[in-house]
This record gives sequence, structure tokens and C-alpha cells, in this order.
Amino acid sequence: LAKTTQPISMDSYEGQEVNITCSHNNIATNDYITWYQQFPSQGPRFIIQGYKTKVTNEVASLFIPADRKSSTLSLPRVSLSDTAVYYCLVGDIWMVTGGGNKLTFGTGTQLKVEL
Amino acid sequence: DVKVTQSSRYLVKRTGEKVFLECVQDMDHENMFWYRQDPGLGLRLIYFSYDVKMKEKGDIPEGYSVSREKKERFSLILESASTNQTSMYLCASSGSSKNIQYFGAGTRLSVL
Repeated sequence: LAKTTQPISMDSYEGQEVNITCSHNNIATNDYITWYQQFPSQGPRFIIQGYKTKVTNEVASLFIPADRKSSTLSLPRVSLSDTAVYYCLVGDIWMVTGGGNKLTFGTGTQLKVEL
Repeated sequence: DVKVTQSSRYLVKRTGEKVFLECVQDMDHENMFWYRQDPGLGLRLIYFSYDVKMKEKGDIPEGYSVSREKKERFSLILESASTNQTSMYLCASSGSSKNIQYFGAGTRLSVL
């Protein structure tokens, strides 16, 4: 079971880059690393996904070292609207079948962005 | 855009009642999920379905059952609701990018 650990909270200011790290020491070979964003009273929303090395999209970058035991979500130039809880999910849906590894969400990181 | 719709945003039930939480997705996704979310515990997977009539237990299936009679609909059933099932319940679906899930807005269930 790939248990994940994230910081409980982080504070930042508008315009800064924010890096949130997730530790997943027991990650399995088939596991993907996926990050979600959640605002109050809403379901989580997909941000980015990776397997190894670096992935970048229009909103974030994801850095994964060679051993894959951690990953870092990087949010460039945050704004007030980025204030949310960020979840790291490690797992592979197909491993849920047959009683294999379960999809594991971390407890999330509350990011607060101020002016 | 993918739309995952949960039938109720808020629900109040009494202990011992049978409770149905309904979820519908409009993107023809094969996979559907039910999670519960509690403060300090994050999201925990209750059940997962990868096809019609197929289901797999997640981390915390005890006290719950599910039904998937049609591809677009996944129901979570609490056979006899208890106070410790008071929680936020989230439904999700995923398709060909199978590890990317799309979530509904959630149902906040209170069991009194």
C-alpha cells in the first residue's frame, strides 16, 4: 500500500512559486502519481499526472526523481484563487481489481495564498 | 467537459434507514468510484466499478454496498445507516486515461 505524506499546510504570497512535496516510499512499479485541487464544497479537480521525470502543463509542473519515492507539484506565480487543498494520489486503477494495491490519497495540503 | 452528477448535495437520514446515493456521468466512462472524505483522513476509497455489474472493494467497504446496472450510473447503498457514516461522499469516473478521475460535487450525509 503506497501511503503518501504531505505537509498539512503551506502559506504563500501572490506571484510566488509554490512547491508541494508528497512522499510515497512504498510506490509500486505500476503506480502513477496524480495531483488534484479541491475548493470548499466541491469535488477534487485533476491538475497533473506523471510516472517519472518531469511533466508540465498549462497550470503546473510535476517533478519525480528517479527513485519515484517522492514527487513535487510546482505552481508558478500563484494567485489568491489558488488557495485550496492539494492532494497527491498514488496508485494504479487496474491494481485495485483482484484485491491489489488500493488508490491512496494523501490527507492533502492546505495552501493559503495572500496578497 | 466531463460531468459527474450526484443526486443530492445534502442529505439527512436517521439511524437504521436504508440510504441510496446516486451518481451519473455523461462521458461513457468505464470506471466509477465512491469515496468518503473526513477531516484529517483525506479521501478514502469505498468501492470501485470497472464495468456494468462489476465491482471491487476499496479501503473501507464495510457497511456499504454498490450497484452498477447501467454504465452511466453508480449507486452507493448504506443498508442500515449509522452515525459513523456521517460524512462527505464523493463520486468519480474515469475513462481511457484511467488514472485521471473526474469528481462530482459531493453529497454531505448526516445520520442522526
